Amino acid sequence: AQKITQTQPGMFVQEKEAVTLDCTYDTSDPSYGLFWYKQPSSGEMIFLIYQGSYDQQNATEGRYSLNFQKARKSANLVISASQLGDSAMYFCAMREAGQTGANNLFFGTGTRLTVIP
Amino acid sequence: ETGVTQSPTHLIKTRGQQVTLRCSSQSGHNTVSWYQQALGQGPQFIFQYYREEENGRGNFPPRFSGLQFPNYSSELNVNALELDDWALYLCASTSDLRGRPTEAFFGQGTRLTVV
Repeated sequence: AQKITQTQPGMFVQEKEAVTLDCTYDTSDPSYGLFWYKQPSSGEMIFLIYQGSYDQQNATEGRYSLNFQKARKSANLVISASQLGDSAMYFCAMREAGQTGANNLFFGTGTRLTVIP
Repeated sequence: ETGVTQSPTHLIKTRGQQVTLRCSSQSGHNTVSWYQQALGQGPQFIFQYYREEENGRGNFPPRFSGLQFPNYSSELNVNALELDDWALYLCASTSDLRGRPTEAFFGQGTRLTVV
């Protein structure tokens, strides 16, 4: 089974509108972390937001928030007030505490977000 | 931009050749991880190095090997290149083995073409 599933290959959003990018995950490890990264065409992965499995509140970082629904195993990214510079690939990723290596991240296949002027 | 630099940025090799990719980690970071990102896919973990030793490996064959140097820079070596090795190779560094990936900084990657 896929550890991270992103079902939206592409999304369009009007500038200044909000958009939600979906992510579901699969793990039996009770301790895990969920991440969202942005990848512009240059290739670099840019960290956006993190949610720990034991965190009680949804994570927020500026215009980014993570809608964490543990029972549903979903970790959707919400971008508010979209900007043209938000156009990029977005990846959801997970790290399980039982994995060796602090950076053993499992990534989804990504969602390409296009912001329309 | 992060302090992680990768070289070269682009590379073209033929099947069967060997390739070495390089990564200079963020200042003060002693852990380096390598990922392979095939076209249209998310990155896949290859392995991680901490204090010059491999610590954690993904589902990649032994022809993928690496090194970490005393200054924490790292190399990824791939022997006997195959067409499936055509991908973007990303390097990420963190401050220590227990550093949360929130502290991980990625380089811009090396785009390897295999013909």
